[in-house]
Amino acid sequence: EAGVAQSPRYKIIEKRQSVAFWCNPISGHATLYWYQQILGQGPKLLIQFQNNGVVDDSQLPKDRFSAERLKGVDSTLKIQPAKLEDSAVYLCASSPLQGYSGNTIYFGEGSWLTVV
Amino acid sequence: LAKTTQPISMDSYEGQEVNITCSHNNIATNDYITWYQQFPSQGPRFIIQGYKTKVTNEVASLFIPADRKSSTLSLPRVSLSDTAVYYCLPGNNAGNMLTFGGGTRLMVKP
Repeated sequence: EAGVAQSPRYKIIEKRQSVAFWCNPISGHATLYWYQQILGQGPKLLIQFQNNGVVDDSQLPKDRFSAERLKGVDSTLKIQPAKLEDSAVYLCASSPLQGYSGNTIYFGEGSWLTVV
Repeated sequence: LAKTTQPISMDSYEGQEVNITCSHNNIATNDYITWYQQFPSQGPRFIIQGYKTKVTNEVASLFIPADRKSSTLSLPRVSLSDTAVYYCLPGNNAGNMLTFGGGTRLMVKP
């Protein structure tokens, strides 16, 4: 079974530039998550989708971050304009159903962003 | 949200049993407890999940006391490849956010 696919794997941009990350969840998984993980910290949830609807985006900095999952499958996370503090790994994850009582959340390998 | 507290780091030697305890004092009635393992440059990976008492799989055991305010991940006979960060994550399927704490950095030495 193919896992969660993310691209690009690594990205270096200058501050105030924009960047987009793409995620393809495991086939058939209804729920998709984007996490931000700063070096040395645990992952922080940015946004959760159930199919193509947003379940929670309360921790997404909406002035610069946006995410969409138009057809309920792939998702894109965009940052514009980027700040130095956005340097982190952006992890995409998916699970069969909402939440995980009995479900498992599967993570991709992440997209590493360095803002200089 | 159930906030978690775990030791920041632990050291062990190959072949020993390692127990990592996580406290989650305000866990909700319908929350499960899931543990994840994360290696450098990789996303977290599911290890084990439970609701109460004891759960065992081929990788680890999970002990949850009756009050469910803590849980202990037990790794039998660790090897160097078990060096990683371990996270406990209470949560349920009611749509609440799944919040990772800082995790426990386990170092296994030869």
